[in-house]
Amino acid sequence: DTGVSQDPRHKITKRGQNVTFRCDPISEHNRLYWYRQTLGQGPEFLTYFQNEAQLEKSRLLSDRFSAERPKGSFSTLEIQRTEQGDSAMYLCASRSTDTQYFGPGTRLTVL
Amino acid sequence: DAKTTQPPSMDCAEGRAANLPCNHSTISGNEYVYWYRQIHSQGPQYIIHGLKNNETNEMASLIITEDRKSSTLILPHATLRDTAVYYCIVRGILTNFGNEKLTFGTGTRLTIIP
Repeated sequence: DTGVSQDPRHKITKRGQNVTFRCDPISEHNRLYWYRQTLGQGPEFLTYFQNEAQLEKSRLLSDRFSAERPKGSFSTLEIQRTEQGDSAMYLCASRSTDTQYFGPGTRLTVL
Repeated sequence: DAKTTQPPSMDCAEGRAANLPCNHSTISGNEYVYWYRQIHSQGPQYIIHGLKNNETNEMASLIITEDRKSSTLILPHATLRDTAVYYCIVRGILTNFGNEKLTFGTGTRLTIIP
């Protein structure tokens, strides 16, 4: 079990650019989650997938955000036209039974 | 999900037991108590969870009061590497259609003092 992996670990971008993050869940975990964490706060739920189906989205997931999990394995989170308020740690988690396991996160800085 | 209340910060001497409290007075009968911790700039790490019985694993022990309105996470012999933010989370039993997300508060910042 290699754990949840995320790529890149850090991303610096200019306002208005598009960014895409990747998450590879633990092998055979059919549920995958995205969270966002800003400084000094706990993680906040964004969305989750069961296999390739996106089953729930938070109101935090604005129209500029899109997540996919096309083959039910890895997932991508894209942010279009980034804003400074998008600066945060983006966390991915996966589960098979009743416990979510988190990856190391991708830290996004929007200049 | 039930709201949890934790002290914002705590200190503990290295080698001593760290006892982290959590209040969840509105918890319902089918809600679990989960504990995660987050070391600086890393993703949250699962520690332990329980429903109503006390639980122990290689990392920690979880003591849940009989009325289930509060719990305590115990790190038996704290080390410097246990310095982290500890989150207590209440989550309902998983169903096909809900209770998937974890709702984090701001947690307790535990500092282990050498």
